[in-house]
Amino acid sequence: DTAVSQTPKYLVTQMGNDKSIKCEQNLGHDTMYWYKQDSKKFLKIMFSYNNKELIINETVPNRFSPKSPDKAHLNLHINSLELGDSAVYFCASSARDSFYGQYFGPGTRLTVT
Amino acid sequence: ILNVEQSPQSLHVQEGDSTNFTCSFPSSNFYALHWYRWETAKSPEALFVMTLNGDEKKKGRISATLNTKEGYSYLYIKGSQPEDSATYLCAFYPSSNTGKLIFGQGTTLQVKP
Repeated sequence: DTAVSQTPKYLVTQMGNDKSIKCEQNLGHDTMYWYKQDSKKFLKIMFSYNNKELIINETVPNRFSPKSPDKAHLNLHINSLELGDSAVYFCASSARDSFYGQYFGPGTRLTVT
Repeated sequence: ILNVEQSPQSLHVQEGDSTNFTCSFPSSNFYALHWYRWETAKSPEALFVMTLNGDEKKKGRISATLNTKEGYSYLYIKGSQPEDSATYLCAFYPSSNTGKLIFGQGTTLQVKP
């Protein structure tokens, strides 16, 4: 069983479209995260939710909106996609906080044309 | 701004060579340091969580040391094998913590048979 899963794995779409990426974890963790892997391969935190409550909200455009329907799911919705949104997006989860490490999903490669 | 730097950015070694690389992080506000292994087309997996100055951790042929006073950690791989080829990420967990990990850009290791 996959611990942290993301769908879709690949997403190709046109500028201006709205798209969602879904993430689910079956580890019983309280906290989930969205990261963007930038062009220099850095993993940059975007958002974090703890038990459905937003606890980290980095400076990202408000076209990006996370939604956590329950603590096992954290979805990322992106409105009005732009070329610069092309990247790999990783979901992760951890028990309460990150102290003991985070578990990552396989990533979603988003390509905006 | 908290910076985490890793060096070298990439490394090519022959099978059987031993190697090491460095992670530098802010020496103040230290709470924990994580090492992750990230194989191509997979997701990052936690290797070590290090918390105390002088910590040494070992998993098989891979070990890590921690110096929180001077703000660095070393990762060592003894007798590198082709399956060790991956990107090794370190992540700093500050004490002003919000659960946010600050990742370095990684050291990409290629082990040639």
